[in-house]
Amino acid sequence: EVQLVQSGAEVKKPGESLKISCKASRFAFNNYWIGWVRQMPGKGLEWMGIIYPDDSDTRYSPSFQGQVTISADKSLSFAYLQWSSLQASDTAIYYCVRHFKTTMYDSTIRLAFDVWGQGTTVTVSS
Amino acid sequence: QSALTQPASVSGSPGQSITISCTRSSSDIGDYKYVSWYQQHPGKAPKLMIYDVSNRPSGVSDRFSGSKSGNTASLTISGLKAEDEADYYCSSYTTSSTLGLFGGGTKVTVL
Repeated sequence: EVQLVQSGAEVKKPGESLKISCKASRFAFNNYWIGWVRQMPGKGLEWMGIIYPDDSDTRYSPSFQGQVTISADKSLSFAYLQWSSLQASDTAIYYCVRHFKTTMYDSTIRLAFDVWGQGTTVTVSS
Repeated sequence: QSALTQPASVSGSPGQSITISCTRSSSDIGDYKYVSWYQQHPGKAPKLMIYDVSNRPSGVSDRFSGSKSGNTASLTISGLKAEDEADYYCSSYTTSSTLGLFGGGTKVTVL
């Protein structure tokens, strides 16, 4: 089964750094855009950014540019989302997502995510 | 500033059809062709229901259909079932500005 398995819940203090992970299995990780989506408590979805693991091409939502770093290790099929200094407003569920492809060769970015991780809950509180 | 506006809630009785709208507020974000729709049940990860305005991924029921007219995209659920009760989100991506957005979400209630 195609899967994205994310790292476990985190509880951090404001100002701390954090890196959460997402392990892909049973698909060609290097050749799919992989993204991150935030969902704050009781709120809607927010697209944060995507990365193409094969060449590390990364696109950020303007709302998250400079606030987080998205990276990938194509040899291990891992994607990462990291913060250098967390704030209470970063408290949310973070989903790792695979970007949908219409064909094997399709590289169009359309913000259509067909595989979702289980979500990583990040709580930032003093 | 661009935004995607959805109604907060839509309801219908079993067997009926309902339509959820998704209206973009800005005119500077391309031709609005990359519109997707997601279903999210409480406590679960979202599920892709529609991509590219009107296409269904494999495995999605044909009771779900998408369309677009001008700046408004729509998701129609036909033959409403209790299991369709969930939150629904539209999304849009514009290649010219690398701008990706989700709508605020619509809660669908099956009466």
